[in-house]
Amino acid sequence: DAKTTQPPSMDCAEGRAANLPCNHSTISGNEYVYWYRQIHSQGPQYIIHGLKNNETNEMASLIITEDRKSSTLILPHATLRDTAVYYCIVRVGVNSNSGYALNFGKGTSLLVTP
Amino acid sequence: SQTIHQWPATLVQPVGSPLSLECTVEGTSNPNLYWYRQAAGRGLQLLFYSVGIGQISSEVPQNLSASRPQDRQFILSSKKLLLSDSGFYLCAWRSGRWNTEAFFGQGTRLTVV
Repeated sequence: DAKTTQPPSMDCAEGRAANLPCNHSTISGNEYVYWYRQIHSQGPQYIIHGLKNNETNEMASLIITEDRKSSTLILPHATLRDTAVYYCIVRVGVNSNSGYALNFGKGTSLLVTP
Repeated sequence: SQTIHQWPATLVQPVGSPLSLECTVEGTSNPNLYWYRQAAGRGLQLLFYSVGIGQISSEVPQNLSASRPQDRQFILSSKKLLLSDSGFYLCAWRSGRWNTEAFFGQGTRLTVV
């Protein structure tokens, strides 16, 4: 799986948009970009994923650059409950030897402040 | 709907004692199952995964083992715990079909003393 690079930490004011970047310059054509978040002392929670088109759901938007070498997760109106570690993961979407397991990096620790 | 149960939530065990953590999934069949560990201040490390009953793959050599006696049951074990086994253990499942998200349990906080 392609390796990802994320900033270790970010701050965001409550009510503002939180834009979390992720670099995945070695991504290959069949690899998807997944985003998860982990609130302190809980299991990770799926947010969104995409291949090449931008995606939006009730939680967030995912913007993937045209060359697919980077992406941005957008939380449009951050709340205090969005404080968490956000993981960007790049993983193949076809059968693999690891049972499609997710390989988590260190992620970005997002702090939403009042 | 599908749910994943993991227990206990917290556990304090002495060095050298055995360990058994259980994870069960409801509402789905033939899931892929995973055990992760998160040491203090570090990322999630994949320990084991299973694509079917009795099929276990280990990602890293360690003091732990895993078993899948039933389709929706995944057990993490150790015969003798080490101090370094302390951490936050997470069970996860996903559909065997490709391009689906994974769902995690709430985790077990293990402290070996």
